[in-house]
Amino acid sequence: EADIYQTPRYLVIGTGKKITLECSQTMGHDKMYWYQQDPGMELHLIHYSYGVNSTEKGDLSSESTVSRIRTEHFPLTLESARPSHTSQYLCASSELGGKGNTIYFGEGSWLTVV
Amino acid sequence: GQSLEQPSEVTAVEGAIVQINCTYQTSGFYGLSWYQQHDGGAPTFLSYNALDGLEETGRFSSFLSRSDSYGYLLLQELQMKDSASYFCAVHSGGGADGLTFGKGTHLIIQP
Repeated sequence: EADIYQTPRYLVIGTGKKITLECSQTMGHDKMYWYQQDPGMELHLIHYSYGVNSTEKGDLSSESTVSRIRTEHFPLTLESARPSHTSQYLCASSELGGKGNTIYFGEGSWLTVV
Repeated sequence: GQSLEQPSEVTAVEGAIVQINCTYQTSGFYGLSWYQQHDGGAPTFLSYNALDGLEETGRFSSFLSRSDSYGYLLLQELQMKDSASYFCAVHSGGGADGLTFGKGTHLIIQP
C-alpha cells in the first residue's frame, strides 16, 4: 500500500500567481520525483531528489522549483503560473537500491491556469 | 538517448487475452517496468523484468528479451476493470534519472 499524498488535487489559478503543490510520503523513501503528464500522454520527469538537500532537474525543462528539507516532503513551486503550465503533476517516491525499481505515485494534482 | 515504442490503443473482449508490446532503444539497460493507470488516477506498478523470460503475477505476465530490446505485458481473463492505460518504462544508465516512460497504450475492453 503506497502512502504518498498530494495537495491540492484540483486547482484553478490566474496567470502570474504563485502556487506550491505539496507532496508527502510516509514510507521513508529517499528518492522522490515530480512528473508532468498531459491527458492521454506520457509522463515527463521534471524534478527528482535522492534525499534531504538533494534536488535535480529532470529530462523535461520546467520553470518550477523544488526543495527537500525533510525526507517525507517534496513540494513543487511555480513562481508565476502561465496557461502553458496547465497539466497534471504527479509526485512519486521509491527506495534507493534494489527495490528502487518500484515507483509509488500520488494521486496527482490537476492544475489549470487561466 | 532513450526511446520506447508501444501501440497507442488496443481493443479486446472481456474474458480474452491481450498482449501489449514494447520495443526500446537505450544506452545502457537495467530493466523494463510496466505501470497501469486508470483515467484520472495514479500510475501503479505492475511488474519489473531485469532478465530475459516471463514473470507471472496472477492474471498479468511480463516478458523481456534483452537481445531483441523487446518486452510485452500479457493480460489474461480480461475484466472490464482492466480498461486503462499501460506504460512500459526502461531503467537505464542514461537520462536524468535513468528511467524513461513510453507514451502508453490505451486498452479498451468490450463486453
